[in-house]
Amino acid sequence: LAKTTQPISMDSYEGQEVNITCSHNNIATNDYITWYQQFPSQGPRFIIQGYKTKVTNEVASLFIPADRKSSTLSLPRVSLSDTAVYYCLVFPDSNSGYALNFGKGTSLLVTP
Amino acid sequence: DGGITQSPKYLFRKEGQNVTLSCEQNLNHDAMYWYRQDPGQGLRLIYYSQIVNDFQKGDIAEGYSVSREKKESFPLTVTSAQKNPTAFYLCASRQGGSNQPQHFGDGTRLSIL
Repeated sequence: LAKTTQPISMDSYEGQEVNITCSHNNIATNDYITWYQQFPSQGPRFIIQGYKTKVTNEVASLFIPADRKSSTLSLPRVSLSDTAVYYCLVFPDSNSGYALNFGKGTSLLVTP
Repeated sequence: DGGITQSPKYLFRKEGQNVTLSCEQNLNHDAMYWYRQDPGQGLRLIYYSQIVNDFQKGDIAEGYSVSREKKESFPLTVTSAQKNPTAFYLCASRQGGSNQPQHFGDGTRLSIL
């Protein structure tokens, strides 16, 4: 699985837009990019997934440039409840039971 | 995720004792996984199963065992051979087919008495 690199931590104030960038230089042609959110003592929660360009859902947007060597998770107008750890993962488009490679993620702290 | 149930939420083990963590899913997912998470760390894969009656070791399988007798169930046994079992254990499942993400339960926290 492709290795990912993301900032260890980020701080933001309520109401701001937060962008978390993840680099994945050795991403393969058939790899997808997925982001998860994890609160303390809970399991990771799937946020968004994409292959190229831009994906948007009710929670976040995911921006992927043409070379796909990085991606940016954008959280609009964060609130205190968005304080969590965010994981960027890359996995192959495959029917097989791949295993995810979770790093330490980005710890986002939102303050008033 | 409401479709994946892990029990119990907290578990205590005595030295030299085996304990079994339960994971049940009603999502009809083919693949199931067990991860271990230590404080401030990411998740590490223990075992995974793509189909019933088949499973593979992950990165840290030593001291653990699993079974997959039913599609909806994937219990994990932490044996006495696991010398540092205190951790947060997470179970996940995934629907078969391409481009499907994994979905996680809410975990079991295991501690040594």
